[in-house]
Amino acid sequence: GNSVTQMEGPVTLSEEAFLTINCTYTATGYPSLFWYVQYPGEGLQLLLKATKADDKGSNKGFEATYRKETTSFHLEKGSVQVSDSAVYFCALRIAGGTSYGKLTFGQGTILTVHP
Amino acid sequence: DTEVTQTPKHLVMGMTNKKSLKCEQHMGHRAMYWYKQKAKKPPELMFVYSYEKLSINESVPSRFSPECPNSSLLNLHLHALQPEDSALYLCASSQSRRTSYEQYFGPGTRLTVT
Repeated sequence: GNSVTQMEGPVTLSEEAFLTINCTYTATGYPSLFWYVQYPGEGLQLLLKATKADDKGSNKGFEATYRKETTSFHLEKGSVQVSDSAVYFCALRIAGGTSYGKLTFGQGTILTVHP
Repeated sequence: DTEVTQTPKHLVMGMTNKKSLKCEQHMGHRAMYWYKQKAKKPPELMFVYSYEKLSINESVPSRFSPECPNSSLLNLHLHALQPEDSALYLCASSQSRRTSYEQYFGPGTRLTVT
């Protein structure tokens, strides 16, 4: 089956620290990969995506590279801000079968950034 | 405009009530989704509509009844819910079910069943 595994949180950082949130996946076929962010009391927002191997998604200083050889899509940011405090979800979508188009999410990683 | 709107924002209902959640998008998307999210958990897919037809039903109890009246609207009709159905209900849309297209989420409806 298809699954996504994220590093367990919560992650607590000081402002301007470097962020890495690990994400690995298992999938049949060729998935598209996504990072979503959920701020308290809100819905999910797409942060970035990559649709094929070696693609790099980037947005708002966040980056992630689709690594087929290690089945990974780690999220990084060079300097976090307090406003980045949120829950981050790694997700994949696969083609084909009865689950065509379904998003499979990781468990989420809570990030807290202190001033 | 990449906005998905949901109403109401909050809903409290008794176990014998009938209520509906509404979702709307004006991005011309042809796939729409309902998710249920419990606290500190990822969203769980409930239903997928593609071109206004139900494509996926993730074995959701019949007390949840989806409806897609047109390509811009998605409803979720609720009847005889249980307290464990209390959750954040999220609507999403995408250009199609094709995997490279991202899903855009609404802000959700916070449902409490008493």
